[in-house]
Order: sequence, then C-alpha cells, then structure tokens
Amino acid sequence: DAGVTQSPTHLIKTRGQHVTLRCSPISGHKSVSWYQQVLGQGPQFIFQYYEKEERGRGNFPDRFSARQFPNYSSELNVNALLLGDSALYLCASSLEGFRRATNEKLFFGSGTQLSVL
Amino acid sequence: QQQVKQSPQSLIVQKGGISIINCAYENTAFDYFPWYQQFPGKGPALLIAIRPDVSEKKEGRFTISFNKSAKQFSLHIMDSQPGDSATYFCAAFRAFFGNEKLTFGTGTRLTIIP
Repeated sequence: DAGVTQSPTHLIKTRGQHVTLRCSPISGHKSVSWYQQVLGQGPQFIFQYYEKEERGRGNFPDRFSARQFPNYSSELNVNALLLGDSALYLCASSLEGFRRATNEKLFFGSGTQLSVL
Repeated sequence: QQQVKQSPQSLIVQKGGISIINCAYENTAFDYFPWYQQFPGKGPALLIAIRPDVSEKKEGRFTISFNKSAKQFSLHIMDSQPGDSATYFCAAFRAFFGNEKLTFGTGTRLTIIP
C-alpha cells in the first residue's frame, strides 16, 4: 500500500520564479496538510485541506497558496520565490481533518527539497 | 512566538541506556501531543502520542510522560539502540474548526553510540 507521495523530490529555482509542488495522499485519506521545514528546525504548518476546502492556514504570506482536487491530491504553489523559501516541503495526509479531535495520525511524505538561488 | 519548546538540541546516549527528551508548551488549548521520528531524507513518522487526560503512555520501548499542571511532556526511550539514532520532534495539536494544525518543537538530534 503506497504511502504519501510527493513530487518532485528535488527542485532548484531562482528568485522571483514560481513553483508548484504536488502531493498524493494515502488511498482513502481525505485530509492533506502542507508543512515547511527549514534546515535544523521543526516543520511549520502552512495549510490544511479537507474535502477540497481549506481548514487551516499558517502564518505564511499570500505568495503561498494551495488547492485540493476531487481525488484528494493537492498542489502547493509559491509565487515570487525568495531565498528564504529554500526548505523541505512536507505533505501529510490523514483520514479526516482533526475537527472532531479523534485520535488521528498524520502520515508524512518524504518531502520536496526546494532550493532557491 | 515559539509555542512548543524542546530540549536538548542534541543528545548522545550509550547503547542500552535511556534517552530522555523534554518539551514544554504554552497554549492550554492544545489537546493532543505526538512525538515524531525523522531520519535523514525522510519525512517525520509518528512514534507515539498522548492526550492531556492521561499522565503516561507506553508503547514498547517508548514512553510519554505528561504533566498537565506544569505544561510539560517528555519522551523516554528505554534500552536505546543504534537504530534509534534520528531527529525527534515533539508536537502539540489544537483541534477546533477553522484552525487545525500541529505545532512542532525545534527537534532533538539523538545519537546512540555502541
């Protein structure tokens, strides 16, 4: 059974460019979350989507956007890239959103390593 | 504002010893506290988690101790093995509609030496 898959695994961009990162959740999982992990730090929450609706947004600028598709896969878009956007971008899926505070588990993919030059 | 503080930043433990990692949180609205293990080049993987109505939870060699009044929780790894060498993150979750997210600590790099 496939886990959370992310593509691409590595990406190099230059300042000012745009990037799209993709995520496929575990089969049957309806919630997708995106996190940014800067080297040496813990992951920082960017977005959560459940049933194609945004359920949560972290403290990131409007250059960051995301969407979830009918098949529950998701894209993270970052416009006008800055050097500080260089990080590992992690996607996580879970069966449902945490709205009912059930004992849900977040399953993370291996991430997309983005380097902005 | 760092809402979850984790220590130590790095830890070296001899094989067979006990590894202890500590976390403290500020927001009393957090209601779910997981620990994640991350190997280089991989995403974090859930190890064990606890809710604040329980003071301790044990799964195999991993134990979470939770002190609600002190707003602290810790991970204990018993009989530490070289395969446990990884970065460990504590996290805290707040579950209410419209703002559902995990807040992670800064991580502890654990090295188990023979």
